[in-house]
Amino acid sequence: GQQVMQIPQYQHVQEGEDFTTYCNSSTTLSNIQWYKQRPGGHPVFLIQLVKSGEVKKQKRLTFQFGEAKKNSSLHITATQTTDVGTYFCAAGANNLFFGTGTRLTVIP
Amino acid sequence: GAVVSQHPSWVICKSGTSVKIECRSLDFQATTMFWYRQFPKQSLMLMATSNEGSKATYEQGVEKDKFLINHASLTLSTLTVTSAHPEDSSFYICSAQTTGLGGYTFGSGTRLTVV
Repeated sequence: GQQVMQIPQYQHVQEGEDFTTYCNSSTTLSNIQWYKQRPGGHPVFLIQLVKSGEVKKQKRLTFQFGEAKKNSSLHITATQTTDVGTYFCAAGANNLFFGTGTRLTVIP
Repeated sequence: GAVVSQHPSWVICKSGTSVKIECRSLDFQATTMFWYRQFPKQSLMLMATSNEGSKATYEQGVEKDKFLINHASLTLSTLTVTSAHPEDSSFYICSAQTTGLGGYTFGSGTRLTVV
């Protein structure tokens, strides 16, 4: 299946600080999706990126797809305690393979 | 929005018994559903793709005879863990792609504990 690596594995930030997670693939991706999984919960779809160099924003969240469509990033501005969870990128043509995930902890 | 209902939420079973997990698409038809397994603090691992009216497609390393998948209708897929052992204890989640909305909708997951 699709191999997608994410860094960092863990991130602890003070509330109000920014946070970024990066996703890298060795192969070109047709699209990339981002999900958030709260502790004890299930993944919730955030966004899908399709075009090379695409940038999309959702309030404090900014998603970017690399020009070569091999990497992607999720940036959260001024984190809040409600941002706590694990963020996954995911890719695949006919099915979805998840990245390794970044577990975000926000310290109030 | 699209909802995928998964039952049970949690189950404890004895070693050697079988457990069935159901996944239903409530307000849309899902010709294809996906089953994942997630161990604590790890990512989701795709186990198999469930196809309505045909055999499931299993990922490499997933035992077909142990994890039986049935997708008898456009709204229901089931995963049966047969002869469960403690190492099968995990979080099992199903999902379906919601055409036109982008992304996949996930069930709430089933936490299986085999004792």
